[in-house]
Amino acid sequence: NAGVTQTPKFQVLKTGQSMTLQCAQDMNHNSMYWYRQDPGMGLRLIYYSASEGTTDKGEVPNGYNVSRLNKREFSLRLESAAPSQTSVYFCASSGGRFREKLFFGSGTQLSVL
Amino acid sequence: EDKVVQSPLSLVVHEGDTVTLNCSYEVTNFRSLLWYKQEKKAPTFLFMLTSSGIEKKSGRLSSILDKKELFSILNITATQTGDSAVYLCAVEGMGHRDDKIIFGKGTRLHILP
Repeated sequence: NAGVTQTPKFQVLKTGQSMTLQCAQDMNHNSMYWYRQDPGMGLRLIYYSASEGTTDKGEVPNGYNVSRLNKREFSLRLESAAPSQTSVYFCASSGGRFREKLFFGSGTQLSVL
Repeated sequence: EDKVVQSPLSLVVHEGDTVTLNCSYEVTNFRSLLWYKQEKKAPTFLFMLTSSGIEKKSGRLSSILDKKELFSILNITATQTGDSAVYLCAVEGMGHRDDKIIFGKGTRLHILP
């Protein structure tokens, strides 16, 4: 079972560059989430999507956009990367029988120089 | 504003000790509280709590929820070096349209041999 697949695993950007983080899940989950994790800060919610076609802002949405392309895929876009966006990004999904249990991707280590 | 506060932020104990980690929360329309363990990569699920006073147990780990006082504790007895990790508390609440899951900053636990 693939679960939640997140790409890329590592990325280095220059300030002002753009990029999209991809996330796909094969568990037929309705809800998908993007979190960022900085040292000592736990996981902070960037955006989430409760179902295909809906997205909502989380705790730290500024500087990001998302697209829920279909039920499987939820992408996170940085239009103009800033050093403050250097972080580890996790995609997660939940739904089905264990609705509140989050399944995480393996994370993306992003550095913005 | 929804928030999850964990304490202590950091804890160092000797192998064999018992530890108690705390999580307090304020969230709109509470649905569930979750505990995760994070070692090197993505968090792994430990417990989901929805009802007050009912202890969840898994081996040396146990957790309980108090919905009146808005907190939960995670106990680890007879700690081992393999318990060293960051322990994350998360709460699911119902927004005006969708549910979202937010995390605390975590407790970094280090077990000395």
